[in-house]
Amino acid sequence: DARVTQTPRDKVTEMGQEVTMRCQPILGHNTVFWYRQTMMQGLELLAYFRNRAPLDDSGMPKDRFSAEMPDATLATLKIQPSEPRDSAVYFCASGLQVGGRETQYFGPGTRLLVL
Amino acid sequence: AQTVTQSQPEMSVQEAETVTLSCTYDTSENNYYLFWYKQPPSRQMILVIRQEAYKQQNATENRFSVNFQKAAKSFSLKISDSQLGDTAMYFCASTSGTYKYIFGTGTRLKVLA
Repeated sequence: DARVTQTPRDKVTEMGQEVTMRCQPILGHNTVFWYRQTMMQGLELLAYFRNRAPLDDSGMPKDRFSAEMPDATLATLKIQPSEPRDSAVYFCASGLQVGGRETQYFGPGTRLLVL
Repeated sequence: AQTVTQSQPEMSVQEAETVTLSCTYDTSENNYYLFWYKQPPSRQMILVIRQEAYKQQNATENRFSVNFQKAAKSFSLKISDSQLGDTAMYFCASTSGTYKYIFGTGTRLKVLA
């Protein structure tokens, strides 16, 4: 049963600290998404990768957020420095984009609390 | 621009009964896809069902089925024989085939014993 995995599951940190969240997409998928979920904003797309190339990161605060895919089995989302307003659940999703068709499969999310 | 509207913030249903969650959408695209995702208290977003707009037949997955009314731009989810494990937040979503999914604000469903 293929699944997207994310670590850590929960993270509590202090303002100003660096936070790194990791995601392992489903083997064979060629797209990766990072979302942020809050009560106020719902699900927001932060970044999108296809074949490991970042195609859209317009949803990320550029000064503090960065997303990378060092290889096909690992995607990372970093926040440096973190701020209390970054507290949210961060989801990674992966999909297989073929001929315009795609379905996203989500990981369990990382709940981040910045004090 | 694409929009997805879920007008029922909360619903409840008795165990074993049937419930229907509403979703309307707006798009200018001819080819698009619609989804229902379930988010239980564990917070995992789980794909429930998927519908391709060019298919007239309504999608079905076990106890879950959709009523896809293309002309009315309506995509409701019917859950039959509701179970306690169906208690979750349900999100309707659409995509025109690009990577951008548009999610609704969700409907919180509570199944009562």
